[in-house]
Amino acid sequence: GAVVSQHPSRVICKSGTSVKIECRSLDFQATTMFWYRQFPKQSLMLMATSNEGSKATYEQGVEKDKFLINHASLTLSTLTVTSAHPEDSSFYICSALSRGNNQPQHFGDGTRLSIL
Amino acid sequence: GQQVMQIPQYQHVQEGEDFTTYCNSSTTLSNIQWYKQRPGGHPVFLIQLVKSGEVKKQKRLTFQFGEAKKNSSLHITATQTTDVGTYFCAGRNDYKLSFGAGTTVTVRA
Repeated sequence: GAVVSQHPSRVICKSGTSVKIECRSLDFQATTMFWYRQFPKQSLMLMATSNEGSKATYEQGVEKDKFLINHASLTLSTLTVTSAHPEDSSFYICSALSRGNNQPQHFGDGTRLSIL
Repeated sequence: GQQVMQIPQYQHVQEGEDFTTYCNSSTTLSNIQWYKQRPGGHPVFLIQLVKSGEVKKQKRLTFQFGEAKKNSSLHITATQTTDVGTYFCAGRNDYKLSFGAGTTVTVRA
């Protein structure tokens, strides 16, 4: 089945550090990738939609200058949390969507980000 | 914007009993997907429903998509301890998935 690889799985770093998270589709081409954030005991909240070769579309309330998204190829999207602060600590999950109608989204394992 | 409501938020079930979780969308959906997330894990795709009135089964799990394609349900029979986790529905409109709040299931033996 479709596999999405997300790295790193866990990051602990100091406030002010920038953190880069990678999301790769391993056995299919992902025309669209999504980045979600999930706080404890809450649902997944869509942050942005990443389309290969174009600028990401950010959801309302998500700062595009703070959460930089790059979707340089059909198998790789990256999310960079710039100058991270403790309130950015969360579980970040990517998902990938392959071509075709009514295709399910496949999720990565998630990245647990802790900012001290 | 599109909203997907899911109830109940918590479901504490006696092992062997049945339960149902429900999702309702404010708009018509092109499809609805169900995911299961174990504590500390990531969402795992369970199933996708596309057609109006569609019913699909996976062993003890029965998924339904409403006739108007605005609501869905997941029914689990004879609950087991392995069913513990949070079940999310996610409604798709255009290319976006909107997730429900999830139903967190705990099981007492």
